[in-house]
Amino acid sequence: DIQMTQSPSSLSASVGDRVTITCRASQSNNNYLNWYQQKPGKAPKLLIYAASILQSGVPSRFSGSGSGTDFTLTVSSLQPEDFATYYCQQSYSIPLTFGGGTKVEIK
Amino acid sequence: QVQLVESGGGLVKPGGSLRLSCAASGFTFSDYYMTWIRQAPGKGLEWISYTSGSGFTIYYADSVKGRFTISRDNTKNSLYLQMNSLRAEDTAVYYCVRGLDFYDYVLTYWGQGTLVTVSS
Repeated sequence: DIQMTQSPSSLSASVGDRVTITCRASQSNNNYLNWYQQKPGKAPKLLIYAASILQSGVPSRFSGSGSGTDFTLTVSSLQPEDFATYYCQQSYSIPLTFGGGTKVEIK
Repeated sequence: QVQLVESGGGLVKPGGSLRLSCAASGFTFSDYYMTWIRQAPGKGLEWISYTSGSGFTIYYADSVKGRFTISRDNTKNSLYLQMNSLRAEDTAVYYCVRGLDFYDYVLTYWGQGTLVTVSS
């Protein structure tokens, strides 16, 4: 199984800040790496797939990068609606696996 | 538009059974792989099962293998999860999920989730 490790597990930031979340896979996943946003009481929402492709309708302040085993989600200018928990997920092999999540809180 | 609506959750005693359903609409159901994901209270996301469009290819997480059965009825545009021998650690919100076109494992469309609570 491919293990996914996210860091940090939580962070505090202010509106307008640039925020970066990292995800490391235990083995190469051929860039089959996706990012999701989840707000309390809601289902996760796909933000980025294949490491860097922005899902339709997602604001361009979100971006993804990386390759091999190391990946990054960046929010260029944090907005009030971006305070949420973010998960990475590898879609290269079964079992599909997720990172432990990064909770982005208001400073 | 794509819509997924889960039902069937509730309170069940340890060792009991429950059957979840997911009604799909807005797309050609038989063309898509479908997945069940769960999330324990206050915890992260866990993939538990997946079925191909035909239902012939099925995978399970080790945590549910032998206890849970995924199935689908393409004539009814419905996905199911039969859960037997339930344990306290199966307590979670269960989501029915569809992938993206050509990217089956990119979890794009999610239902609202249904809560399963296993407790005596």
